[in-house]
This record gives sequence, structure tokens and C-alpha cells, in this order.
Amino acid sequence: GESVGLHLPTLSVQEGDNSIINCAYSNSASDYFIWYKQESGKGPQFIIDIRSNMDKRQGQRVTVLLNKTVKHLSLQIAATQPGDSAVYFCAGRSGTGNQFYFGTGTSLTVIP
Amino acid sequence: EAQVTQNPRYLITVTGKKLTVTCSQNMNHEYMSWYRQDPGLGLRQIYYSMNVEVTDKGDVPEGYKVSRKEKRNFPLILESPSPNQTSLYFCASSLTSGRYLGETQYFGPGTRLLVL
Repeated sequence: GESVGLHLPTLSVQEGDNSIINCAYSNSASDYFIWYKQESGKGPQFIIDIRSNMDKRQGQRVTVLLNKTVKHLSLQIAATQPGDSAVYFCAGRSGTGNQFYFGTGTSLTVIP
Repeated sequence: EAQVTQNPRYLITVTGKKLTVTCSQNMNHEYMSWYRQDPGLGLRQIYYSMNVEVTDKGDVPEGYKVSRKEKRNFPLILESPSPNQTSLYFCASSLTSGRYLGETQYFGPGTRLLVL
């Protein structure tokens, strides 16, 4: 079946450094991807999305990169802050329908 | 305030006792879905709905039912709960399933279910 996975279960960065969180997916027909942030005890929160016909998309302090050749996407967080500490998920939409598949998450810890 | 509400937030039940988890959104969203979150497995989609009276199976639909009689509500029904349905459940909604870039999918606060 389809899968979306994350490369590292945990990541620690110094406050002020840039963070890069990676994600791989299996279905080359997936046409839409979303990154979410989940803080402890809360539901996931939308960060940024990207379509499969794009390579890059930027938001406020975040950038998502998509490499369709190797079926990989990444989330870059600039000048990471303590408030960025959370679990980050990528999700992909099935190319054959409207179903979403999530990765298992990377727990980001920001060290003050 | 834009929000997705779920009730109850916590529930302990016994095997075989039918239960319903309610979900409601106030944003006139077309797309709604249910997910379960388990350690090491991430979020898995149970069912989704493209609009009123349109529902479809997600990745793990077995043991669950849904209905979408009104646009704002999308209840999750467990006809005969079993211990393997012990999990954290999230309802979510978005305007569509991603037709518009930047379209936010809002998640509810979660329902923690324990089936004994």
C-alpha cells in the first residue's frame, strides 16, 4: 500500500539554527503534500502545503522542498525557536483519490 | 472562531458496547475525515467525506462507521468496540481535499478512547 515516512524519529537543534526535517513517500502518483506540527496534547496544526508540480514553496520561516525524482520532501525551519519544539508530520494525498497518508513523525527539540 | 469540536474528549468503555464520537465544524467545510493516532504508527485515516451524503473508506475502516447527514457534523460510530480500537482519535475538516493551495485542514482536540 501507499506509505509516507519520516527519516528521523527525533531531531535536536540549537535555538537560532535552521532545522531540516525529511520525509519520503512511496506513491509517485501522490499529487499534494502537507506538513503539520503537533504539540503535546493537541491536534495537528497545518504548516504549509505543496503540489506535485512544484519544487519549492515558502511560508513564514518555513520552506518545503519537493524532489519527485527520489520521492522526497523536506521542511526547513529558519531560525528555530523554542516554540517550534513539537512533532512534525508530512502527509501525502493519494493520486487516485482524496485519501491522505501520514508519516510517523519527527520530534523536534529546540535547545535554548 | 473557526474550530472543530469533538465529544467526548475521554472515554472508557467495555468491549461490545456501541459508542459514538461526535465531530462538528463551524466553517462550512466540504471535506471531513477521521484519523486514529497510535504510537509508532502515526496518523491513519479511517473514513473521509467529500460532502453531505458522500463518504469513503480510508486506510483503516474496519470496525467503524460514519455518516454525513449534515455538512457540519461527521460522527464516528463504533458498533462493537474491541480493545484494538483503543487509540487517540482526531476529526479534521478543510474546505476541500486540497483543491486550493494553502487550504488549511483543521483538526479537533482529539478523543482518547480506552476499550476494556
